[in-house]
Amino acid sequence: AQSVSQHNHHVILSEAASLELGCNYSYGGTVNLFWYVQYPGQHLQLLLKYFSGDPLVKGIKGFEAEFIKSKFSFNLRKPSVQWSDTAEYFCAVNQNDYKLSFGAGTTVTVRA
Amino acid sequence: DAGITQSPRHKVTETGTPVTLRCHQTENHRYMYWYRQDPGHGLRLIHYSYGVKDTDKGEVSDGYSVSRSKTEDFLLTLESATSSQTSVYFCAISEQGGSTEAFFGQGTRLTVV
Repeated sequence: AQSVSQHNHHVILSEAASLELGCNYSYGGTVNLFWYVQYPGQHLQLLLKYFSGDPLVKGIKGFEAEFIKSKFSFNLRKPSVQWSDTAEYFCAVNQNDYKLSFGAGTTVTVRA
Repeated sequence: DAGITQSPRHKVTETGTPVTLRCHQTENHRYMYWYRQDPGHGLRLIHYSYGVKDTDKGEVSDGYSVSRSKTEDFLLTLESATSSQTSVYFCAISEQGGSTEAFFGQGTRLTVV
């Protein structure tokens, strides 16, 4: 079964700081990769996705992620965070079947 | 937002009682999923459906059953609720399974006392 690891449980940073969240997965074959965000009290929304092509993917709200196949990683980045980026972030992986496997999530708190 | 409605949004029930959660979609997507969200575990798949009357188990299916008699409705039943099933339950839909974006409902907060 697919395993998805998010290294940081809780990240606290100040506005304008840079953010990087790690995500590693266990499957060595072809995968589809996603980052979802859950703002407080809301449902999950897609930030970005990678299926193929350019391994640097740009998403909404200034987020980007880089797929490194050799490291089985799909790390999420944002150069300068805002208070409104306070949320929980989930990495998810699909190995070309019906299902998504989610990481445990990283809570990001941005201090004004 | 995708047309996904979960009902009820909140429920408190007693141990041992049956509970049914409903997910209704207006997108005509083929795939529907039930996840539970617990602190430290992220989202874990309970059951999913790949068509009317076609369902399969996820990673935490014990104690849960599902039914899908129409494309738009996917029901999750806890036959006899236990305190360990206290959680937030999310329904999700996708057009082509895991290779396309999943859209999530607003969630149902279930408390078993």
